[in-house]
Amino acid sequence: RKEVEQDPGPFNVPEGATVAFNCTYSNSASQSFFWYRQDCRKEPKLLMSVYSSGNEDGRFTAQLNRASQYISLLIRDSKLSDSATYLCVVTFNTNAGKSTFGDGTTLTVKP
Amino acid sequence: GAGVSQSPSNKVTEKGKDVELRCDPISGHTALYWYRQSLGQGLEFLIYFQGNSAPDKSGLPSDRFSAERTGGSVSTLTIQRTQQEDSAVYLCASSWFSGGENEQFFGPGTRLTVL
Repeated sequence: RKEVEQDPGPFNVPEGATVAFNCTYSNSASQSFFWYRQDCRKEPKLLMSVYSSGNEDGRFTAQLNRASQYISLLIRDSKLSDSATYLCVVTFNTNAGKSTFGDGTTLTVKP
Repeated sequence: GAGVSQSPSNKVTEKGKDVELRCDPISGHTALYWYRQSLGQGLEFLIYFQGNSAPDKSGLPSDRFSAERTGGSVSTLTIQRTQQEDSAVYLCASSWFSGGENEQFFGPGTRLTVL
């Protein structure tokens, strides 16, 4: 079993739709959680950190469920520009720095 | 300011040759990471440096892979006796601290093709 697992998709949604991605992690001692975005043939970039209380940034909402060991990303009112691969990232030891990336979930938003 | 830079952007080599990939992190960043990404796959952690501490080499797939970071800044990833399965995009990232809560800034990567 992978340390971080994501549904690879692809998710194909129309503009304006709401879409949600989940990511599960195996190490219950994991401490830090993030969503990165990676456009085709580009490097990953931080989308948002994920906090225990949940956090929102515009149309994007991230949540953490420690009991069930998963994090989620909700995108409301999808835009064409949201088309990308979304990578779930988990750090098991905040002081050690090493992060584990999921394989990513691909989203395509269509007109 | 300048972001993370990597060179070369593309490298084609023959099986059995050695290659060196270079990473220039953002100035002032103390942590530096190397990952590789095969087509359609996620990022595979290779090695991480933090300041003058011993690097975490736990992700290096074999002893053909090595990396160094001179003067706490530029890093070089070396692959000896390259194999076809080494073909991938090699990504470098840096962050302010080694703490896992800090954002990692990625370079554009080096696309390695081993013939």
